[in-house]
Amino acid sequence: NAGVTQTPKFQVLKTGQSMTLQCAQDMNHEYMSWYRQDPGMGLRLIHYSVGAGITDQGEVPNGYNVSRSTTEDFPLRLLSAAPSQTSVYFCASSFSESYEQYFGPGTRLTVT
Amino acid sequence: ELKVEQNPLFLSMQEGKNYTIYCNYSTTSDRLYWYRQDPGKSLESLFVLLSNGAVKQEGRLMASLDTKARLSTLHITAAVHDLSATYFCAVVGYSTSNYGGATNKLIFGTGTLLAVQP
Repeated sequence: NAGVTQTPKFQVLKTGQSMTLQCAQDMNHEYMSWYRQDPGMGLRLIHYSVGAGITDQGEVPNGYNVSRSTTEDFPLRLLSAAPSQTSVYFCASSFSESYEQYFGPGTRLTVT
Repeated sequence: ELKVEQNPLFLSMQEGKNYTIYCNYSTTSDRLYWYRQDPGKSLESLFVLLSNGAVKQEGRLMASLDTKARLSTLHITAAVHDLSATYFCAVVGYSTSNYGGATNKLIFGTGTLLAVQP
């Protein structure tokens, strides 16, 4: 049981490039979410999903896209990277949004 | 819109001392979490508080919840160096989704960086 996995661990992008951060869980959790962590700002919710085919915006969705075609996977797409998206990104999953969330190890992204 | 505030943001304390971290939130919620994060690591769940007056304890940490005051506290007793980490509270907030119907979102506080000095 691997829990929540994220790839890559580190990534450097140039402004304007696009990429996908991968997130997978093997706990059959319906609820999955993406957060970004910036110094002094805690974790801010980007997008979340309550099940396959259903996604919604969080606090800071602009510049990011998500889809949920399977229960296991919840990728986060950066459409055109900007320096303001330099951050650490965490994926989390749980049985529902009201239950304890399990976090992945994080992806450290730098946009130059 | 749910806002979650923690204070202090930074706490430097000596080993053996006691202190409290405060978590205030702005709208009604009946579920609050405390997480710990070590430098460069992910978040680890510490406590889940589900009702008014709930109290949970693990080792030198004790968390409580007052839903009427919209306040949770994380009390540290006789701190040791191993407790040095960043502590986050997170509150479940209720809102209307874009896909229809109500939804809950987990909103985090800004975190408290705890440094325990020998």
